[in-house]
Amino acid sequence: GAGVSQSPSNKVTEKGKDVELRCDPISGHTALYWYRQSLGQGLEFLIYFQGNSAPDKSGLPSDRFSAERTGGSVSTLTIQRTQQEDSAVYLCASSWTGNYGYTFGSGTRLTVV
Amino acid sequence: GQQVMQIPQYQHVQEGEDFTTYCNSSTTLSNIQWYKQRPGGHPVFLIQLVKSGEVKKQKRLTFQFGEAKKNSSLHITATQTTDVGTYFCADTYGGSQGNLIFGKGTKLSVKP
Repeated sequence: GAGVSQSPSNKVTEKGKDVELRCDPISGHTALYWYRQSLGQGLEFLIYFQGNSAPDKSGLPSDRFSAERTGGSVSTLTIQRTQQEDSAVYLCASSWTGNYGYTFGSGTRLTVV
Repeated sequence: GQQVMQIPQYQHVQEGEDFTTYCNSSTTLSNIQWYKQRPGGHPVFLIQLVKSGEVKKQKRLTFQFGEAKKNSSLHITATQTTDVGTYFCADTYGGSQGNLIFGKGTKLSVKP
């Protein structure tokens, strides 16, 4: 597609429920990243996929968070047993291999009540 | 871990005034990328600096990379209300194919 697409744009969930966030990167971009941005804060790295290599999961805050990328394209970020501190905007980005600028999606605003 | 520090955290200017944000690191930076995030929006890539001492311009925006590759700056000449937003610098972590480490950003507000 023309840009990075994320869905849903907004998600309200009850504490303890699982959620899945989807990212559809720009076609041909081999690298895909997930970041989290709390209200008024900076961008916190979560996970990074590069081609067929094992993902860099070093930023995942707990084992409740997981992500996969199927067929080198679409990615899903799953948060199990959501907590209120998980409330944030989850941003997905993609880029070409190497030192290229990221193209971010519009994000999913997650609210845990 | 590797960090990039941005100052100031906030900057309020009158329209027409200049604005500068600084990005500093205690270690040598690989490359520096700059992003702009409008209120309610997502970060948008502005530019990448690679070489020591590099200077790049985009209309009223001037980007510099320090000689020692430990700092960078973004300068906006004669700010306009359309410049409002948060400006982030980011360093490539772990080499040429690593993820970006973002600074906490400088939030710019412009009074018309």
